Amino acid sequence: RKEVEQDPGPFNVPEGATVAFNCTYSNSASQSFFWYRQDCRKEPKLLMSVYSSGNEDGRFTAQLNRASQYISLLIRDSKLSDSATYLCVVWDTGNQFYFGTGTSLTVIP
Amino acid sequence: GAVVSQHPSRVICKSGTSVKIECRSLDFQATTMFWYRQFPKQSLMLMATSNEGSKATYEQGVEKDKFLINHASLTLSTLTVTSAHPEDSSFYICSASGTGGANKNIQYFGAGTRLSVL
Repeated sequence: RKEVEQDPGPFNVPEGATVAFNCTYSNSASQSFFWYRQDCRKEPKLLMSVYSSGNEDGRFTAQLNRASQYISLLIRDSKLSDSATYLCVVWDTGNQFYFGTGTSLTVIP
Repeated sequence: GAVVSQHPSRVICKSGTSVKIECRSLDFQATTMFWYRQFPKQSLMLMATSNEGSKATYEQGVEKDKFLINHASLTLSTLTVTSAHPEDSSFYICSASGTGGANKNIQYFGAGTRLSVL
C-alpha cells in the first residue's frame, strides 16, 4: 500500500467551477501535510500547508481529517492559471516526506 | 518562502561523462536535502535523502556509486551523475528542508536540472 494516494485525474473543469481533490495517507502518526503545485516542466511549489482546523487562502481551502486520514483541497472560481498538477505531501516522523502521484487539473475557457 | 538555488538548469553531455549538480539553500539552513528524478509525465521519484555531515540514504533501486551525493554544509548538497548514459536523461530536482521555525518540515524546491545525455 502506498503511503500517500491521490486520484491522478485528469480533472477538466470549466472556468469558474469549483473543484476538489482528496488525498489519503496510511500512517496515522503523520504530522504535517501540504499541497504543492507543479506546472509542466517546472519544480513543485508550495501552495499551502494544511492545518488541523482547516485553512483558507483566497480561493483555496485545505482540510485535514485525521480520523479518516485524508486531506482535501478545494479550489473555488477556477481560473485558467490554476491548470497544473497538484501534489499532496505528507511529512512523517523520522523526517520522511511522502508524495502523492499528483492530480492533473485543466481549467477550460 | 525560503529560496533554493539549483545549478545548472540545463546540461547536455556526451555519454560517459560525469555531471555535477549543485543545490543551495540561500536564506536558511537545511539539515536535510532531497534529490528527486522525474521522467516526462510521471511523478517525482525520490532518489536519496542527505543529511549534513553524514552519508546519504538512497532509495531502493538507486545506485549509490552512480549517483554520488555530498552534503558538506547546511547550505549545499551536490549530486554527481557518474558516467552518464542516455537512460539517465531526466529532470533532476533537489529540495531542502529547514532546521526550525517557519521552514521546519516544509520542502522548498530548486528549479530543477534538465539533463540530456547524447
